[in-house]
Amino acid sequence: AQKITQTQPGMFVQEKEAVTLDCTYDTSDQSYGLFWYKQPSSGEMIFLIYQGSYDEQNATEGRYSLNFQKARKSANLVISASQLGDSAMYFCAMREGLGASYGKLTFGQGTILTVHP
Amino acid sequence: AAGVIQSPRHLIKEKRETATLKCYPIPRHDTVYWYQQGPGQDPQFLISFYEKMQSDKGSIPDRFSAQQFSDYHSELNMSSLELGDSALYFCASSLVAGYSFFTDTQYFGPGTRLTVL
Repeated sequence: AQKITQTQPGMFVQEKEAVTLDCTYDTSDQSYGLFWYKQPSSGEMIFLIYQGSYDEQNATEGRYSLNFQKARKSANLVISASQLGDSAMYFCAMREGLGASYGKLTFGQGTILTVHP
Repeated sequence: AAGVIQSPRHLIKEKRETATLKCYPIPRHDTVYWYQQGPGQDPQFLISFYEKMQSDKGSIPDRFSAQQFSDYHSELNMSSLELGDSALYFCASSLVAGYSFFTDTQYFGPGTRLTVL
């Protein structure tokens, strides 16, 4: 079963508008972390934001915020005031709790975001 | 701020040849992860090291081996290369915050793009 699901292969947004990228996850662990990474066409993976399973507040980092709904197992990324430089592939990833796995990330399929001027 | 360094950035090999990819983690980071990202795919976890000991193993072929050295740099050795090994190989590093393996953030290097002809 897919542990991380990103249902939007591609998204379009006008410059300066907000956009939400969806991510749902599947885990039976109580302790886990959720991450978003940005991958521009140049290929590097850039860390954007982190949300822990015990965090009661939604994470925010500048123009990025994470809409965390634990009961629904969703961790959507919200980008406010989109910029042309935001055009990239975005990956949602999860790290599950301690056990056999010491911290590997499991990624979703990614969403390609295109920002129009 | 110092980032993860990977070398080489690009590598072209023939089938059945060997390749060595190097990774220099962020200073003071104690954990290194290797991921493989095929064309149009999400990154897949290969192997990780914590304090120079292998901590987890994913879908890494037996033809591949890796280690972490006393200075914390890591090398991924790939033998009997196949066409399907063509991919972007990422190294990521993190500082494990005590017991909280699931909270530490992995920072990725720029990747090594391996092409097998």
